Amino acid sequence: EAQVTQNPRYLITVTGKKLTVTCSQNMNHEYMSWYRQDPGLGLRQIYYSMNVEVTDKGDVPEGYKVSRKEKRNFPLILESPSPNQTSLYFCASRAGQGFYNEQFFGPGTRLTVL
Amino acid sequence: AQSVTQLGSHVSVSEGALVLLRCNYSSSVPPYLFWYVQYPNQGLQLLLKYTSAATLVKGINGFEAEFKKSETSFHLTKPSAHMSDAAEYFCAVSGGSGGSNYKLTFGKGTLLTVNP
Repeated sequence: EAQVTQNPRYLITVTGKKLTVTCSQNMNHEYMSWYRQDPGLGLRQIYYSMNVEVTDKGDVPEGYKVSRKEKRNFPLILESPSPNQTSLYFCASRAGQGFYNEQFFGPGTRLTVL
Repeated sequence: AQSVTQLGSHVSVSEGALVLLRCNYSSSVPPYLFWYVQYPNQGLQLLLKYTSAATLVKGINGFEAEFKKSETSFHLTKPSAHMSDAAEYFCAVSGGSGGSNYKLTFGKGTLLTVNP
């Protein structure tokens, strides 16, 4: 089944404790992206990757890191989480370079930073 | 920069009634436009997309949207609401003037409630 998977689905952590949220897709998509969703703000892009070893900042990159060492994986790293990073996070992927192609979303990771 | 405005953060309809969710974009050059749906505790799923082939776009689950350049709008409609349509709906845009083909810009979402 074609899908985007994220782990963990739920995470409660404390301020300053490094964490990684994994994202993997099995569709051989070039493009992958991370979003955060907050009430009343919709989805905002954190980082995206056009292909292996090619990443760029989205609208809200502060406090986040990403890497793209393999085509299928695009982990999101919070090196020193803070309470304002409490949010619902989505990973997405799509084929090709243009945005006329559908973006496929993972099920989401709900992160709480105390 | 490209932006999307969804009028109404919450829309409530009766089962069987018309669903109309509004979306306006800011580009003077027609962009790519999308509607996504998010069911409770799930990720986003594509309902339909406009890529300049036809102004009336049909999607899944009986939804459709009409691209109106003169009004810079891409409103989502469904003739008869079903209880299973209760979800949050997001309009999104890419490309166009001031926008990028490499990112989606989302509206803030409209929560649809369907009353029995």
